[in-house]
Amino acid sequence: DAGVTQSPTHLIKTRGQQVTLRCSPKSGHDTVSWYQQALGQGPQFIFQYYEEEERQRGNFPDRFSGHQFPNYSSELNVNALLLGDSALYLCASSYADLGNEQYFGPGTRLTVT
Amino acid sequence: KQEVTQIPAALSVPEGENLVLNCSFTDSAIYNLQWFRQDPGKGLTSLLLIQSSQREQTSGRLNASLDKSSGRSTLYIAASQPGDSATYLCAVRPKYNAGNMLTFGGGTRLMVKP
Repeated sequence: DAGVTQSPTHLIKTRGQQVTLRCSPKSGHDTVSWYQQALGQGPQFIFQYYEEEERQRGNFPDRFSGHQFPNYSSELNVNALLLGDSALYLCASSYADLGNEQYFGPGTRLTVT
Repeated sequence: KQEVTQIPAALSVPEGENLVLNCSFTDSAIYNLQWFRQDPGKGLTSLLLIQSSQREQTSGRLNASLDKSSGRSTLYIAASQPGDSATYLCAVRPKYNAGNMLTFGGGTRLMVKP
């Protein structure tokens, strides 16, 4: 059983560019959440998708947007990249039931120069 | 707004010691609390999940307790090994929330010396 997978592993972009990160949830999971983790800090919640809709959003600007596909996979898009967007981006999947455990992918390391 | 704090931020111990990592949260209205392990530059591995109605969970050498009323959780690691060296994160899921977002602490960086 494949766990949560993310692509690419690493990415280097220039300020002002746009980036798309991808996530495939653990088999059977229908909910995908995205987190940003700056170096030396805990992850910060960006948003969550369920049934192809954004269900919840953290305190991130509109430059951060996402999408969930019918197969439950998801994309995170970031426009007009800033140096401060450099971080590890983590995807987590779970069942819609609130009591269920979340499983995290290996992350995508984004560096903005 | 829920805030999660982990103390200490870093810890170095000799192999074989038993140790306790602390996690505190400001709002006791939580659905559950989860402990994770993170190796440098890697994703998060779930260690233990404690539902709000539970007091503790155990897995091998790990034991996590939850005192919801005081807003505290501890992760106990018995007979520590060098392979336990990693960052340990705790996260809570708010109870009155449409989704199941997690609020994380800043983590405790653990080094176990041979």
